[in-house]
Amino acid sequence: DQQVKQNSPSLSVQEGRISILNCDYTNSMFDYFLWYKKYPAEGPTFLISISSIKDKNEDGRFTVFLNKSAKHLSLHIVPSQPGDSAVYFCAARSRNAGGTSYGKLTFGQGTILTVHP
Amino acid sequence: EAEVAQSPRYKITEKSQAVAFWCDPISGHATLYWYRQILGQGPELLVQFQDESVVDDSQLPKDRFSAERLKGVDSTLKIQPAELGDSAMYLCASSHRSSYNEQFFGPGTRLTVL
Repeated sequence: DQQVKQNSPSLSVQEGRISILNCDYTNSMFDYFLWYKKYPAEGPTFLISISSIKDKNEDGRFTVFLNKSAKHLSLHIVPSQPGDSAVYFCAARSRNAGGTSYGKLTFGQGTILTVHP
Repeated sequence: EAEVAQSPRYKITEKSQAVAFWCDPISGHATLYWYRQILGQGPELLVQFQDESVVDDSQLPKDRFSAERLKGVDSTLKIQPAELGDSAMYLCASSHRSSYNEQFFGPGTRLTVL
C-alpha cells in the first residue's frame, strides 16, 4: 500500500528552465509534507516543507504547492541548475498517530532530476 | 557543521551471517531513526528511538533484526542471520525532540548480501 507516490521515475530539464516534480498521497491523516534531495553516496538532505494548513511555501528557487482536495503536491525549481541534478523524495508525516509514530515520515519512490547545461 | 555519522559505509556479507551497523546522531538530538532504502524505492522506517526507548518498531522484522540505543546517544542495528533480500541502503537519521519535522540523515551503510 503505497501511501505516497511519485509517478515519474525521472525528469530531464534544460538549465534555466523550470523543473516540476509531482507527488500524490492517499492518507488524509498526513499533516506535513517535506521534500528531500539525495546525491549519490550521500544521505537525503532536507529541502523544503509545507504544512497542510497552507497551499504554498517558497524558499529561494524552490516552491512547494499543496492541493489538499486533490491530495497532490508539487515542487517547482526555478531556474533549474546543473547542481540540482539529484534524486528528489517527497515525504509525509502522519497527524498524531497514537503518539508512538509521531514524526514518522512516509517517503515516495523518488524522482531522478537531471538538469542539462 | 554537525552531521550524523554512520559506519561502515559499505558491507558485503554472505547470507546467514550476522551484520551490525552503527550510528552516531547529531549531538543533542533526542530522536533517532533507522530507515531501509531498497534500490528504486524511498526510505522506509524500521525503528524510531526517543532517547533510549523504542517508540515505533512496527516495520522492524523482529525475528532477525534488532536495534538498541543503550545510553540514548549512539545506536546499533543488527541483522542475524542476513538474507539476500536484506541487501539495501540502511540510513540513520536524527532530529531534535521538539522538531519532528526536519530529520537529518547520515550517509548510510550499503549492505550487499551474497
